[in-house]
Formats: sequence, C-alpha cells, structure tokens
Amino acid sequence: GQSLEQPSEVTAVEGAIVQINCTYQTSGFYGLSWYQQHDGGAPTFLSYNGLDGLEETGRFSSFLSRSDSYGYLLLQELQMKDSASYFCAVGNQGGKLIFGQGTELSVKP
Amino acid sequence: DSGVTQTPKHLITATGQRVTLRCSPRSGDLSVYWYQQSLDQGLQFLIQYYNGEERAKGNILERFSAQQFPDLHSELNLSSLELGDSALYFCASSPSGGITGELFFGEGSRLTVL
Repeated sequence: GQSLEQPSEVTAVEGAIVQINCTYQTSGFYGLSWYQQHDGGAPTFLSYNGLDGLEETGRFSSFLSRSDSYGYLLLQELQMKDSASYFCAVGNQGGKLIFGQGTELSVKP
Repeated sequence: DSGVTQTPKHLITATGQRVTLRCSPRSGDLSVYWYQQSLDQGLQFLIQYYNGEERAKGNILERFSAQQFPDLHSELNLSSLELGDSALYFCASSPSGGITGELFFGEGSRLTVL
C-alpha cells in the first residue's frame, strides 16, 4: 500500500519562511509532487522531484531524499495569498498519483 | 484556467439515485484521473485512464464506474447514491501519463446527496 504523512496545519507570519514536510511509504516510487489548493478550488501543480535534491521555482523550493523517503516544500517571503492547503503526492511509473491529507497553511499579518 | 472542463459544476440529488459526471481533458492529454475530495479531506484517488484504457484503480466503490471514450473525454458514473458520497469530484489530465507528477485539474463537480 501507500501512505503519506504531512502536518495538518502550519501557521506563519507574512515575510517569513515555512517548511512543510512529507514522509511516504510506497512501492514503485517514481517521484514526489506538490500541489496548492485554495478553499476547495482546483489543485494546482507547484513542483516535482524525480531525483534527490532541491528544485527551486521562484519563492517555492522542494526537496527530496529517496533514501529517507522524505521531502519538503519550502515557501519563502510568505504572502497572505499563500494561505491555502498544500498536498504532497507520490507517483509511480504508471503515472498513478496518490495524495497526502494536506497541510493547511495560515499566513498571519 | 487549466484547460480541463468538468460538468456539471454543482449537482444536488437524492439517495438511491444515479448521476454521471463528465470531464474533457486538455487538448492532447491522453491521461485522465478522477479524485474524490470530501469536506476538509485529502484527494482520494479513484481511477486513472490512459488513451481509453484503465491504467490504475484506487479505492473506488463498486457502485462507481468510469470510462474514457475514443475522443478522450471521460465519465464517472455514481449509482445507488448515499449521503456519504457527497463530495467534490475532480478530474485531472496529464500530457505525460503522469510520470512527471504534473496533473492539470478541472474546477470539480460538487455533488450533494440529500
């Protein structure tokens, strides 16, 4: 089977840096993705790690360690609009994508 | 706008009924996925299709069925509906069969079962 663990809630202040961790157990692991979802809207893709290391996209970075079955999403220079739910998702070679339960990020002024 | 179209956006029906949700993927995307999201819950994987063939199945109930047609649009059929089936149902598509981890999601179909 597959399982993913991420914190249910994280709170941070505007301008700060926050890290959302994700640990996973799965067979046939191919890569780790991150998605953002605002208030029941459509989830939107943020980043993908197929190899170990850090991927940077603007204010967002994502990291993967295959040996530790662990990854994180790093959000810098937090803005109020970053308040949303963030999901990690593991993919296998067939393209199946399983999502975690999500982390609700609240950004305070 | 992701380019993935889902209809209807909202649907209210009664227990025991049957509904069909429709999804048109982005132009050129061969893979279609269906996910269920109940209130304040994660995205539960239901089923994945690739070019008309079922590729992977999640914890999809036997009362639910889906298919992908030759024109690549997909339908999710939910029958003998129960109160607990009330949820947001998302369709997503991928140009790469999902192997890059990037899915494009539609806006969802919100189903309310009374």
